[in-house]
Amino acid sequence: GAGVSQSPRYKVTKRGQDVALRCDPISGHVSLYWYRQALGQGPEFLTYFNYEAQQDKSGLPNDRFSAERPEGSISTLTIQRTEQRDSAMYRCASSRTAGGQGGELFFGEGSRLTVL
Amino acid sequence: LAKTTQPISMDSYEGQEVNITCSHNNIATNDYITWYQQFPSQGPRFIIQGYKTKVTNEVASLFIPADRKSSTLSLPRVSLSDTAVYYCLVGDYQGGKLIFGQGTELSVKP
Repeated sequence: GAGVSQSPRYKVTKRGQDVALRCDPISGHVSLYWYRQALGQGPEFLTYFNYEAQQDKSGLPNDRFSAERPEGSISTLTIQRTEQRDSAMYRCASSRTAGGQGGELFFGEGSRLTVL
Repeated sequence: LAKTTQPISMDSYEGQEVNITCSHNNIATNDYITWYQQFPSQGPRFIIQGYKTKVTNEVASLFIPADRKSSTLSLPRVSLSDTAVYYCLVGDYQGGKLIFGQGTELSVKP
C-alpha cells in the first residue's frame, strides 16, 4: 500500500475484553515496530519484527500483550483482559531495511484504544 | 542501548535558525543518529539521519562531532508550521529496537 495502515482507528472496549489491533505495513518493508504513546509522551517501544520473526519483545508490558506477524507482512497486536491503564494510542511503523541504518520508520495513523 | 537526552522545550520566532542538541554519551560504533518530527495527532515523521560529520537535506542539517557523543539538528528559518515535537534516536545499523526519548517541544512564535 501507499502507507502504513492501522485498524481500527478508534476502539472503545470494556475492561476485561480482548482487543486486536492490526497493522498493514508498506509493501516489501522488512521491519515492523509497535509503539504505545500516551498523551504528552514519546512513543514507548513495545516490540519489533524482521520479516515474520519477532526480534525483541522486551517492551511488552506484561503477558497480556502479544504480537505476531505470521507471513512477514500484516501484524496483529493483541491485548487480553484489557485494563484501563492500557488506554493509549498504539502506533505501528515499518522500515524498508532491518535496523537503524536507512532505518527510516514510516508510521501509521495509530489506533486509539480506550478501555472503560 | 544509548540513552538520549534533549531539552524538554524550546521557543523560537519565525525566520530564525533553531538548533536542538541531543546528548548520547554511550553511543556505540554501530549506531546511527536519526531525528523525527511529530505534530499533534500524527505519527512521527523522519527528518534526517547521519553517522558522523554533517548531513544536509532539503529541510534540515545534522551536525555530529567526531566523538559522536552528541548531535545537533539545525532547522533554518523556521516557520509557524515547524511547531512540533522533535525526537532524537540512536539505533544500531544492524538491527535493534529504536527507542524514543521525551523529545523537544519546539514552539515557533510570529
